[in-house]
Parts: sequence; structure tokens; C-alpha cells
Amino acid sequence: QKEVEQDPGPLSVPEGAIVSLNCTYSNSAFQYFMWYRQYSRKGPELLMYTYSSGNKEDGRFTAQVDKSSKYISLFIRDSQPSDSATYLCAMKSGGGSNYKLTFGKGTLLTVNP
Amino acid sequence: NAGVTQTPKFQVLKTGQSMTLQCAQDMNHEYMSWYRQDPGMGLRLIHYSVGAGITDQGEVPNGYNVSRSTTEDFPLRLLSAAPSQTSVYFCASSLTGDLDEKLFFGSGTQLSVL
Repeated sequence: QKEVEQDPGPLSVPEGAIVSLNCTYSNSAFQYFMWYRQYSRKGPELLMYTYSSGNKEDGRFTAQVDKSSKYISLFIRDSQPSDSATYLCAMKSGGGSNYKLTFGKGTLLTVNP
Repeated sequence: NAGVTQTPKFQVLKTGQSMTLQCAQDMNHEYMSWYRQDPGMGLRLIHYSVGAGITDQGEVPNGYNVSRSTTEDFPLRLLSAAPSQTSVYFCASSLTGDLDEKLFFGSGTQLSVL
């Protein structure tokens, strides 16, 4: 079983839809959970991060972590064509400079006008 | 503020050739790292550095060398290129290597080995 599983999609939705992106993980040592957004031919950029179970909101984006189920989600409300990108979940374990950062494979999202 | 700059953006090599991918950051970050991204796979860590003169191996280090002579630069060397090294390479940096530090990525180098 891979440490981080992410449905690669692709996912295609109409503008204004609510989008749900998900990852599961098997390593209980993961302490820090992130979502990165990657536009075509660009490097990933950090979108949201959290280290506790529960929800964290930032504008149209909500990150949700359920440590008991080893499941994280990213919700995008009122999706826009500019949200079209690949979304990568990432998880950190360890401490100091010897942390381990594991990425999911990414989900390709297209928001159609 | 340029952030993390990678050069070149594209490169084609023949099997057995060597080359260096350049990475520079102007944010005075101590932590720098190299990832490769392949279709159907997540980003995988090749090498990382927690400061000038200090480097360590990541998940997939074979066939690659790194050095960190300055805080700003972290070049990745391919010693003898192989088709399996065809990939998109990303350099990333953060202020420190701490757990909650934000990682900044460059725009990537697309490498093809024929």
C-alpha cells in the first residue's frame, strides 16, 4: 500500500460547481498536511496547510483533515476557470531538517466556463 | 524578488552525456532540494541541503550529484545521463528545514534523454 493515495482524475466540472479533492494515507506519523496547486508547465505552489484534524478555510478553499480515518480533502466553492490546474496533496512527518515530505500523484482539474 | 530560478527550462541529452541543472534562490533560504516529477507518479525527492556545505540523499539519489558551496546555489549534476532520467526536475527551497516551513518551487527543467 502506497503511503499517500490520490485519485488522478481527470476531473471536469462546470464553472460555479463545488469541487472535492481527496487523499488517503497509511502512515500515522504524518503530522502536517498540505495542498499544492500546479499550473501547466509551472512549479507547485502551496495553497493550504494544516496540522490538526478539522476544517481550515481560506476564501473559496476549505482543507479538511480526519486523522482517525487517515483522510484529507480540499473543497473549492464557486469554482472558476482559473482554478483549472493539478492539485497535489502532501504530507510531512519527522522533525527539524530531517522531515519527510510525501506527495500524492496529483488530480487534474478542469473548470469549464 | 525572483524567488527560485531554474535553468535551463528545456534540455535534450544523449545517453551517456553529463550536464548540470542550475538552481538559485534569492530569499536567503537555508533549505534547498531537488525533486523529479514523472507522469503517474508524485514528486520524488532526489537530494536536499540544509545549509552551505551540507547535503544528503533523498528517495531517488542514484545517478545524481549535488553540492552546496553557497547559500544561494544548489546545482544538480547528472553524471552519465540515462533514458530513465527523462523527467521534469524541480528545485525547491524554504527558510529552514522545519516541519511548518513553506516550500517554494522553481518553474522546472524539462529533460529528455535519448
